Amino acid sequence: SQQGEEDPQALSIQEGENATMNCSYKTSINNLQWYRQNSGRGLVHLILIRSNEREKHSGRLRVTLDTSKKSSSLLITASRAADTASYFCATDAWNSGGYQKVTFGTGTKLQVIP
Amino acid sequence: DTGVSQDPRHKITKRGQNVTFRCDPISEHNRLYWYRQTLGQGPEFLTYFQNEAQLEKSRLLSDRFSAERPKGSFSTLEIQRTEQGDSAMYLCASSLGDRPSGNTIYFGEGSWLTVV
Repeated sequence: SQQGEEDPQALSIQEGENATMNCSYKTSINNLQWYRQNSGRGLVHLILIRSNEREKHSGRLRVTLDTSKKSSSLLITASRAADTASYFCATDAWNSGGYQKVTFGTGTKLQVIP
Repeated sequence: DTGVSQDPRHKITKRGQNVTFRCDPISEHNRLYWYRQTLGQGPEFLTYFQNEAQLEKSRLLSDRFSAERPKGSFSTLEIQRTEQGDSAMYLCASSLGDRPSGNTIYFGEGSWLTVV
């Protein structure tokens, strides 16, 4: 089952604009990770934010985490055509068996128009 | 650091045949994951190893699916008597499990399976 849900499902913006994607999840987590996936390729890790962190930056990426609302957002500033891809959030949480399990959301498909 | 390596990258097989995928994780990563992804969907968890122990299997992993990780290094995912519904990309990932709060999980490029 999918733990996270991204919103919106699809997003189309002009180059240079900012893109914001949101992820909501259901259970307590250890960390949340964002990934990018180009069509037909594997997932590229973007950023990891731990449950005790509220915000992280990496280059043009800004991730926030609100554990009280069980939500995270990914902001890409000054978007480029090369940012066109699907973006997924993944939550790392303890499962009922006492093991850490990582589950993915449904993804946001971002199109950046040159 | 050569990254997570998967082989083969593409496999076309006839329905009813067996297929095997191999994954070589990043050296020293003790955790290894298999996921399946179909077009337009997010990756779905299949199974997870910590060293050589298979700790969890999704109910998506029917009896036709088996995964191993001998000696806690590379892993194989075998699908027996393939069905058309098995057509998907099979993703392998690994991480270093040395923190309770988890670490970055690195993915391979995936193995595409087409069952005809």
